[in-house]
Amino acid sequence: QVQLQESGPGLVKPSETLSLICNVSGGSVSRDYWSWIRQAPGKGLEWIGYVYFHGRSNSNPSLESRVTISVDTSKNQFLLNLRSVTAADTAVYYCASSHQLLFDSWGPGTLVTVTS
Amino acid sequence: SYGLTQPPSVSVAPGQTARMTCGGNDLGGKSVHWYQQKPGQAPVMVVFDDSNRPSGIPERFSGSNSGNTATLTINRVEAGDEADYYCQVWHSSTDQVIFGGGTKLTVL
Repeated sequence: QVQLQESGPGLVKPSETLSLICNVSGGSVSRDYWSWIRQAPGKGLEWIGYVYFHGRSNSNPSLESRVTISVDTSKNQFLLNLRSVTAADTAVYYCASSHQLLFDSWGPGTLVTVTS
Repeated sequence: SYGLTQPPSVSVAPGQTARMTCGGNDLGGKSVHWYQQKPGQAPVMVVFDDSNRPSGIPERFSGSNSGNTATLTINRVEAGDEADYYCQVWHSSTDQVIFGGGTKLTVL
């Protein structure tokens, strides 16, 4: 089964860009869908978006004006950029393997706090 | 926009059966997936495509989906089943992934 690991800054300032990387091992990003999901403290799961291995992406309408998700096949990773963050973007961010848009493998998650 | 409705909480005694519902318009026409999330951990898929179990998930976990309601059933509930459970679908007409709000299962 594929393993995933998120990495990136744990603190981001308001109005800046949140950037995360998901490293994939035990499988190749050159197949299928790869997703980002977040969970604000004490709240439920919120799908952010997915990228398909050849580059097509889609995202939650509530975030799509600020989100870019991309894949780097040379590094076997996929990336999340979320622009113009506010305190409402504070959450645990998960990356996930999303074969047929169900989430069969998840990273452990990384907490990102938006604070000045 | 399409939405999934889950009761906030379900309580059950050990050894009994827990049933958690997920409601949505014409949900029976979609594939429903269920995730278990324990405190401080990433979610784990426990049922996919309405009623299939991934390898390693006990047979006590089962799912069904018909009409406007999908149900996750846990037989012979154990203390270790206490967790939040989320349903999820892919809404094909909008190409969006939708999560339910989650149900907290408490084992009394």
